[in-house]
Amino acid sequence: SSEVTQDPSVSVALGQTVRITCQGDTLRSYSTSWFQQKPGQAPVLVIYARTKRPSGIPDRFSGSTSGNTASLTITGAQAEDEADYFCNSRDSSGNQWVFGGGTKLTVL
Amino acid sequence: QVQLVQSGAEVKKPGASVRVSCKTTGDNFSAYYVHWVRRAPGQGLEWLGRINPKSGGTTYAQKFQGRVTMTRDASISTGYMELSSLRSDDTAVYYCATGNDIEHWGQGTRVTVSS
Repeated sequence: SSEVTQDPSVSVALGQTVRITCQGDTLRSYSTSWFQQKPGQAPVLVIYARTKRPSGIPDRFSGSTSGNTASLTITGAQAEDEADYFCNSRDSSGNQWVFGGGTKLTVL
Repeated sequence: QVQLVQSGAEVKKPGASVRVSCKTTGDNFSAYYVHWVRRAPGQGLEWLGRINPKSGGTTYAQKFQGRVTMTRDASISTGYMELSSLRSDDTAVYYCATGNDIEHWGQGTRVTVSS
């Protein structure tokens, strides 16, 4: 079982704001990244180091952390944002990377 | 422009081994760890481990200890992941990834385990 957990699915109306969360005690100590994966494609990094956005990622994507919860917020969700989203951090040893179980985002 | 190019799809029988390669172009191969991640049908992303291309040092996910071996050939900027004693639930797409924040990913290699 993963040391970081996510809700399996979330939906959002087109143009609205949605927050996808990831919970785990290790998130207090270790940085979190977020990956977007669409069917048949490799994952894409959308947030790293809790809050940083790689070049080329739209600024509607943002990240934050509070306590043991990391969040990925999409402000003004677009149809092309429909995908699976995975958080990534370390386990309690700090030596193993772990992924959350993933959240399927549906844009209505 | 960093690119990771993986080897082609594989079909294996239960109990066999599979080796997937990952060639890096466009960057210093030894600069960053190479991670291996898989996604099985209906499942999420799963980290298998990582290798330091400079030293060859490895860290494997506990789940795969004893079954996975990661190596590299720095002279051709290529990393390898071998998984042995394959079972049907090892059927998945296997990815290599690298970069300071694992921002560069290969295209994936589909491995099917079936009798």
